[in-house]
Amino acid sequence: GESVGLHLPTLSVQEGDNSIINCAYSNSASDYFIWYKQESGKGPQFIIDIRSNMDKRQGQRVTVLLNKTVKHLSLQIAATQPGDSAVYFCAETFGNEKLTFGTGTRLTIIP
Amino acid sequence: DGGITQSPKYLFRKEGQNVTLSCEQNLNHDAMYWYRQDPGQGLRLIYYSQIVNDFQKGDIAEGYSVSREKKESFPLTVTSAQKNPTAFYLCASSIWGGATEAFFGQGTRLTVV
Repeated sequence: GESVGLHLPTLSVQEGDNSIINCAYSNSASDYFIWYKQESGKGPQFIIDIRSNMDKRQGQRVTVLLNKTVKHLSLQIAATQPGDSAVYFCAETFGNEKLTFGTGTRLTIIP
Repeated sequence: DGGITQSPKYLFRKEGQNVTLSCEQNLNHDAMYWYRQDPGQGLRLIYYSQIVNDFQKGDIAEGYSVSREKKESFPLTVTSAQKNPTAFYLCASSIWGGATEAFFGQGTRLTVV
């Protein structure tokens, strides 16, 4: 399944499938991006980050892709598990400026 | 056990009262932040501080005040001037106020009764 950030704030994916969460960022000068996961009633947790001199970065079951041409960031989660159900936020910053967060996408894993 | 601690977890305020939310970190981070989160929405920046005794307004600072007298502490006061204070408040810190990961506390849920 695939979401388009602000336009589709919810995404439902079958357990075991791959999910793709998208984020359109606003500032073409942004040079650092982070994906956070927030479970209900808790603070956001860091998942993965990427700097603007990279197009792709991989972690454990997660991959972040950065397309600076169209100011687009995506988070791919492989083999989704029930524990992946959460709200996912992208955040951007540049230089010494504060992080700016997107609205978020709610991911629901269907057993 | 390093981390960032917010207290209390739940807070109730009567209309017209000021309340102060606590945020403490032992990560030796220079930068600290306060965000507000409303149901089904993203994080909006209230105030941030990149160094002791200095802080800047974020996008929604009206009705809030902060202080940064110590590196490890960044309390947020929600004043009576904040007309709609019921929300989930998140504190975060980072090594410095630039392109580095921010670590979040577990949040304080404030309800006006």
